[in-house]
Amino acid sequence: QKEVEQNSGPLSVPEGAIASLNCTYSDRGSQSFFWYRQYSGKSPELIMSIYSNGDKEDGRFTAQLNKASQYVSLLIRDSQPSDSATYLCAVHRDTGRRALTFGSGTRLQVQP
Amino acid sequence: GAGVSQSPRYKVAKRGQDVALRCDPISGHVSLFWYQQALGQGPEFLTYFQNEAQLDKSGLPSDRFFAERPEGSVSTLKIQRTQQEDSAVYLCASSLGSSGGLSYNEQFFGPGTRLTVL
Repeated sequence: QKEVEQNSGPLSVPEGAIASLNCTYSDRGSQSFFWYRQYSGKSPELIMSIYSNGDKEDGRFTAQLNKASQYVSLLIRDSQPSDSATYLCAVHRDTGRRALTFGSGTRLQVQP
Repeated sequence: GAGVSQSPRYKVAKRGQDVALRCDPISGHVSLFWYQQALGQGPEFLTYFQNEAQLDKSGLPSDRFFAERPEGSVSTLKIQRTQQEDSAVYLCASSLGSSGGLSYNEQFFGPGTRLTVL
């Protein structure tokens, strides 16, 4: 079992719809959770961070965290073709190992 | 301010050659990380520096890989006697560090160096 699991996709949604991206993790010591967006041929770009249970909203993006279920998700409202990218979920322990552990990413396609 | 920069952006090496990849982190960032990303995969951790100290090198795949950050700023990842399996994108990331709360762990990535070993 991988430490961070994501559906590889592609997830295809029509323009204007809500895209829902999911991630599960195995390390209960994880304290910080991040979503990165990566366009083809580019490097990961941090778009959301979440540290406590519940929802965190930033513009069209909402991150949701449920530590009991070891589950984190990203909702993108009013999806745009420019949102088409791979979305990487990453977790961080805060103690001990400092590195981020990434999932393999979910490819999102927003159809115009 | 300026983000993380990396050079070169692309490197083609013949098998057996040595290569050096450079990372210039965001000014004031204490922590620096190197990751390796294969096509279709998420970044995989290689090594971590806090200032000039290399605190974790558990991800380095072999003793052909070596990293340094002698003055606590710019870092170099060196790969000796490159092999075809070393072909990947090498990403550098930096963060403020862990002294100021969880948000200080947010890591910002440079553009990466795409290494191709022929």
